[in-house]
Amino acid sequence: AQSVAQPEDQVNVAEGNPLTVKCTYSVSGNPYLFWYVQYPNRGLQFLLKYITGDNLVKGSYGFEAEFNKSQTSFHLKKPSALVSDSALYFCAVRDQSSGNTGKLIFGQGTTLQVKP
Amino acid sequence: EPEVTQTPSHQVTQMGQEVILRCVPISNHLYFYWYRQILGQKVEFLVSFYNNEISEKSEIFDDQFSVERPDGSNFTLKIRSTKLEDSAMYFCATRRQGSSGANVLTFGAGSRLTVL
Repeated sequence: AQSVAQPEDQVNVAEGNPLTVKCTYSVSGNPYLFWYVQYPNRGLQFLLKYITGDNLVKGSYGFEAEFNKSQTSFHLKKPSALVSDSALYFCAVRDQSSGNTGKLIFGQGTTLQVKP
Repeated sequence: EPEVTQTPSHQVTQMGQEVILRCVPISNHLYFYWYRQILGQKVEFLVSFYNNEISEKSEIFDDQFSVERPDGSNFTLKIRSTKLEDSAMYFCATRRQGSSGANVLTFGAGSRLTVL
């Protein structure tokens, strides 16, 4: 079965420090991987995706993610965290078993808390 | 930037009542989805819809749920007889047809349903 795991419920980091939010996946075939961010009382906003190509993908707001096939991971990173990055982050994988419906399977989410 | 619009933003209803949640997709998007997020839990897939029919549904999407796009514009989720456990944030998402870039789902801000 296809699945995504985010092992940390919460990540705390000081402003200006680098941040990493972890994600591992389990899929059959080549994965299509995504990161979304959810601010309080808002919908999910797309940050970045990996479909193919370079393992390091860059996205919105200075975020990037590194695809590692051998470790089946897709960790979200940012070199210097901002207080405004505090939010709930979801990793997702396209369900390859559902044909062309394009359905995404989400991880349980990680709360990022950036302290001033 | 094009948006997915959801109404109402919040609805409170009595158990056993019917509820209709509405979504206006981005104009050139052809695939539609409903997801739900129970407070503090992960984002769960409910149903996908394409070409005026359901393309996939989850175990959650039982006979109490239905979707339709009656006027070619609004995409609706109906819960026929609400239960307490239906209390959640419901997200509509849409995507366009096409190449790998079309894999990105655009989410609305959500409709919070509270069943009393």
